[in-house]
Amino acid sequence: AQKVTQAQTEISVVEKEDVTLDCVYETRDTTYYLFWYKQPPSGELVFLIRRNSFDEQNEISGRYSWNFQKSTSSFNFTITASQVVDSAVYFCALSEVSGANSKLTFGKGITLSVRP
Amino acid sequence: DVKVTQSSRYLVKRTGEKVFLECVQDMDHENMFWYRQDPGLGLRLIYFSYDVKMKEKGDIPEGYSVSREKKERFSLILESASTNQTSMYLCATTFGGRAYEQYFGPGTRLTVT
Repeated sequence: AQKVTQAQTEISVVEKEDVTLDCVYETRDTTYYLFWYKQPPSGELVFLIRRNSFDEQNEISGRYSWNFQKSTSSFNFTITASQVVDSAVYFCALSEVSGANSKLTFGKGITLSVRP
Repeated sequence: DVKVTQSSRYLVKRTGEKVFLECVQDMDHENMFWYRQDPGLGLRLIYFSYDVKMKEKGDIPEGYSVSREKKERFSLILESASTNQTSMYLCATTFGGRAYEQYFGPGTRLTVT
């Protein structure tokens, strides 16, 4: 069975600090996809990024960056110069084949609070 | 933009009542999912459907059933609501296949008293 571990449960930082959210996964698949989602206080999960298992290039999007390392089965997310609007719950997820289809396995989420 | 709507944001029901939660999507997605979200437990998959009238159990299907009569609509049914089903319920959709991200609705916070 696949598993996603987000060991950090709550993180609190002051605005403009950098923060890294950790994600470690387990899978027997050789081809898989990893995702990060953001859930702001409004409740709706928002897709942030997808990464496939063959692409280990780091990704940067504005203040967000992702570090994917197959050797350590990790897919960590860094927010640079955090802002109050980054306060949310962040989920890491791993795709899993189920019969002819697929489903996501989610980590338990990390609650990030950014204080002004 | 993909639009996923859920019938209610907040719902209060009594123990033993039959509860229907509805999810509608407008993007012709094949796969639809129902999750429940509880503090400290993350998102857990209840049921999913990959085609009309097709369904597959997720990780915690006990106490729930689903219905998908039309492609755009996926209903979650609590046959006899219990207090341990008090939770946030999230619907999601995707084209299908593991490469695609899921799109989520706003959620329904259900309280069973």
